[in-house]
Amino acid sequence: DQQVKQNSPSLSVQEGRISILNCDYTNSMFDYFLWYKKYPAEGPTFLISISSIKDKNEDGRFTVFLNKSAKHLSLHIVPSQPGDSAVYFCAASSNTGFQKLVFGTGTRLLVSP
Amino acid sequence: DVKVTQSSRYLVKRTGEKVFLECVQDMDHENMFWYRQDPGLGLRLIYFSYDVKMKEKGDIPEGYSVSREKKERFSLILESASTNQTSMYLCASSLDSTRVAKNIQYFGAGTRLSVL
Repeated sequence: DQQVKQNSPSLSVQEGRISILNCDYTNSMFDYFLWYKKYPAEGPTFLISISSIKDKNEDGRFTVFLNKSAKHLSLHIVPSQPGDSAVYFCAASSNTGFQKLVFGTGTRLLVSP
Repeated sequence: DVKVTQSSRYLVKRTGEKVFLECVQDMDHENMFWYRQDPGLGLRLIYFSYDVKMKEKGDIPEGYSVSREKKERFSLILESASTNQTSMYLCASSLDSTRVAKNIQYFGAGTRLSVL
């Protein structure tokens, strides 16, 4: 049972435009959400996170939105740059999950010049 | 900066071999994790450890075991490697979340294992 879902395996965007990556979850106990970015042949690196007490968190070009009633979060990248091309994973954790993260299947973002 | 180091970037082993994947972190983190990443399946948790000599099964522990004799080192063991264990293996570590507000895991660069 996939508790964290990223339904779009890939996304192509032009440089300078907005990239929107989506993530849905099913477990209402999740209270902390993270986005990771992964380049080929490297480990995932932490990008941005959001607690369930917030609905938005910004860090430079990256903004994460959380809609708890819909159990949906999204990552906005504005403006997109070619160096943003990578696989993006969303992840979720709960206070009862012993600090485990549950990851989605990832979305491959390609930003073309 | 947090550093998580995996001893090998690439490994090629034969079916039936015993395989050791090593991971070391230098930030005094309590928690350590082993994942495998496969196309279309994301990251799946194999085992994790919240303290020295402690271990917990993740979502896919079958065919694997782990060892944590020292706080900074977490080893993944494939007792008898099989072709379906060909994958990218990722190690991660994190602070105990009673010490920090954020449950952020830091990853190593990964070990790509091929079992022939």
